[in-house]
Amino acid sequence: AQSVTQLDSQVPVFEEAPVELRCNYSSSVSVYLFWYVQYPNQGLQLLLKYLSGSTLVESINGFEAEFNKSQTSFHLRKPSVHISDTAEYFCAVSESGGSYIPTFGRGTSLIVHP
Amino acid sequence: ETGVTQTPRHLVMGMTNKKSLKCEQHLGHNAMYWYKQSAKKPLELMFVYSLEERVENNSVPSRFSPECPNSSHLFLHLHTLQPEDSALYLCASSQVQSPALYGYTFGSGTRLTVV
Repeated sequence: AQSVTQLDSQVPVFEEAPVELRCNYSSSVSVYLFWYVQYPNQGLQLLLKYLSGSTLVESINGFEAEFNKSQTSFHLRKPSVHISDTAEYFCAVSESGGSYIPTFGRGTSLIVHP
Repeated sequence: ETGVTQTPRHLVMGMTNKKSLKCEQHLGHNAMYWYKQSAKKPLELMFVYSLEERVENNSVPSRFSPECPNSSHLFLHLHTLQPEDSALYLCASSQVQSPALYGYTFGSGTRLTVV
């Protein structure tokens, strides 16, 4: 069975600074990887996903994540954050060819200060 | 109206009450899910309905009872809840053939407080 570890429960950062939210997973088979974002009082929204191919995936609002198979990681990065990026970010993994239901991490709260 | 809609947005209920949460999706998806989100815990999958049949239960207490009358609607019936059941309850939908490829679409959730 797969598992997901988000190493930081909270990441405070100043506006326009770079940020990295860490995600490590455990699985014995090939995986699909996801990042979801949850803004206050809202449900989760899919931010980006890795299925296959290029290990670097990007979202439309400037976030990117890189799949590193050897380190079993899928860290989320943004070179310059905005106040509006303040939200909870969830990493999720599902096993290709197995149960299609993803396992979610505990979430990382990104807090962007002016 | 598009997306996944959950009602009510907020619910306060006593431990002896009976209430229901409603979820509706207009995306043409054929799988629906209930998740429980508690502070600083991983999302807990409660129920899965695939093609209107319950697939997984995950050992949820019987005081939670799901109902899926059709592929667009999902209910969670609540009775004799405990204070520890207070949480955000999220509904999600997907295409059963490819949820891993396209992810889930989540509703905004119902914030439940049991007093």
